[in-house]
Amino acid sequence: DAGVTQSPTHLIKTRGQQVTLRCSPKSGHDTVSWYQQALGQGPQFIFQYYEEEERQRGNFPDRFSGHQFPNYSSELNVNALLLGDSALYLCASSLYGLDGRKLFFGSGTQLSVL
Amino acid sequence: AQTVTQSQPEMSVQEAETVTLSCTYDTSESDYYLFWYKQPPSRQMILVIRQEAYKQQNATENRFSVNFQKAAKSFSLKISDSQLGDAAMYFCAYRSPTSGTYKYIFGTGTRLKVLA
Repeated sequence: DAGVTQSPTHLIKTRGQQVTLRCSPKSGHDTVSWYQQALGQGPQFIFQYYEEEERQRGNFPDRFSGHQFPNYSSELNVNALLLGDSALYLCASSLYGLDGRKLFFGSGTQLSVL
Repeated sequence: AQTVTQSQPEMSVQEAETVTLSCTYDTSESDYYLFWYKQPPSRQMILVIRQEAYKQQNATENRFSVNFQKAAKSFSLKISDSQLGDAAMYFCAYRSPTSGTYKYIFGTGTRLKVLA
């Protein structure tokens, strides 16, 4: 049973560029959340997707957007990259019926913005 | 707004000994969930233990147990019989009871070193 998978594992971009990160949830899960973990910090909630809609959003600018596909996989898009966007981006999945009481995390995508 | 504070950036423990990691939080809600997650060098966040605030009994999972003090808003993690594989970053997290929320609020983490 595959867990949460994220791609790519590492990514290097320059300021002003756009990036797309991908996430496949654990088998049987239908809800995906994205978190940003800056160096030396805990993860911060970006947003959550269920039934292909953004259901909840953290304190992140509109440059951060996402999408969920019918197979429950998800993408995180960041436009106009800033140096401060350099971080580990974690995807977490859950079954909506569990109501967020248990999240399964992937190993993340390490984004470096130069 | 809720906050989570981990005041110990780094802790060390001798193999087979016991260590306690501290976490305090601030909230005006009466019911909520608290978690401890482990993040090894592989970067994947792994759930260690979960506590529902309405339960007075402290949660335990094998060698891991918590000391949940609701009035003091304290949620510490005790690791007994520490093993080399326990070395990792440990994050305390809070989740509101609001239905449908997947927003966890994490602390800044404690790096645990296990000495052979």
